[in-house]
Amino acid sequence: ETGVTQTPRHLVMGMTNKKSLKCEQHLGHNAMYWYKQSAKKPLELMFVYNFKEQTENNSVPSRFSPECPNSSHLFLHLHTLQPEDSALYLCASSQVGAFNSPLHFGNGTRLTVT
Amino acid sequence: DAKTTQPTSMDCAEGRAANLPCNHSTISGNEYVYWYRQIHSQGPQYIIHGLKNNETNEMASLIITEDRKSSTLILPHATLRDTAVYYCIVGFSQAGGTSYGKLTFGQGTILTVHP
Repeated sequence: ETGVTQTPRHLVMGMTNKKSLKCEQHLGHNAMYWYKQSAKKPLELMFVYNFKEQTENNSVPSRFSPECPNSSHLFLHLHTLQPEDSALYLCASSQVGAFNSPLHFGNGTRLTVT
Repeated sequence: DAKTTQPTSMDCAEGRAANLPCNHSTISGNEYVYWYRQIHSQGPQYIIHGLKNNETNEMASLIITEDRKSSTLILPHATLRDTAVYYCIVGFSQAGGTSYGKLTFGQGTILTVHP
């Protein structure tokens, strides 16, 4: 496996379900991110983790709960979501401290909340 | 971060150069210009970035005007696989501090390469 891997690729869940999105990066990076991409809207930064510590929460509702157990893995735990939370959720990683290290994105999880 | 303006869509013939413009008239002196693209059903992919000098890599060239208020991404020989949404983003160095990862993506330019 290379790059940034996200699972599952597609997820359909009801509003009362609890599910988790998983992201794994194989690049040796030390920072990981969750972005949300809704239809017809630009990408929105949700969370930033640097060396496993959360350094940014971009006013994300508490029904989204991130977890970063180590610098290679990132989870997004979902509970009691709303239909408007349906979107493409993208994980990214980069190397903080390396000058202008670009963001490397996974291919996302397409989430549908019914 | 400074805001960017890009055309909504552009067309290009396969094998020809694709020139994608971007205006960033409010860019500050230490902000970089980054380009990413997003092919359908995939995550965004980094292409190139620059501060004030023109840059070239294996994917593209970036031309930044002397006043840094605009730039052009050039794909020298576009192929059908270059059909994607291209994002021009202005932001601070991604070396660390509080700015890393905080790239603000706009709507981008939908580039369609046709045979």
